[in-house]
Amino acid sequence: AQKITQTQPGMFVQEKEAVTLDCTYDTSDQSYGLFWYKQPSSGEMIFLIYQGSYDEQNATEGRYSLNFQKARKSANLVISASQLGDSAMYFCAMREAPDSWGKLQFGAGTQVVVTP
Amino acid sequence: DAGVTQSPTHLIKTRGQHVTLRCSPISGHKSVSWYQQVLGQGPQFIFQYYEKEERGRGNFPDRFSARQFPNYSSELNVNALLLGDSALYLCASRTGLAAYNEQFFGPGTRLTVL
Repeated sequence: AQKITQTQPGMFVQEKEAVTLDCTYDTSDQSYGLFWYKQPSSGEMIFLIYQGSYDEQNATEGRYSLNFQKARKSANLVISASQLGDSAMYFCAMREAPDSWGKLQFGAGTQVVVTP
Repeated sequence: DAGVTQSPTHLIKTRGQHVTLRCSPISGHKSVSWYQQVLGQGPQFIFQYYEKEERGRGNFPDRFSARQFPNYSSELNVNALLLGDSALYLCASRTGLAAYNEQFFGPGTRLTVL
């Protein structure tokens, strides 16, 4: 079964607008971590933001914020004030405790294109 | 500080050959993980090593093997290459095994199997 679901294969957003990227996850564990990564066309995965399952407040990192709704098993990424350099693939990922905090399980990704 | 480095950047092999990919983690990072990313998909976990011991293995055949050296660098070996092994191979390092330790990825090795 798919552990991470990203339903938006691609999105266009205008420069300076905000964009929300959807991510739902499936786990029976109480302890887990959720991550968002950005992958430009160069291929390198760039860490953006982390949310722990026990964190009561939504994580924020600069223009990135994570809208964490635990009961709905949802961890949407919000990018505020989009810039042309934000054009990339965005991946949601989860790490479950039984994996010894090892492997990340990734979704299929969302391609974001920022237009002037 | 240097990030995670991987070599080579690109590689072209033919079916049946073997390949060795190399990864140097960020200085001070003791954990290295390997991922395979087929075009159009998210990365899939292959291996994790911590302090030179295998700590996790993904759903990959025995043709895939890895090891970690005393300096925490790592090698991923793939034997009897198949066309389906064509992918971007990503290495990631982290300081430890705590939940909040994010993984820092290298630029990847793009393997093409002909």
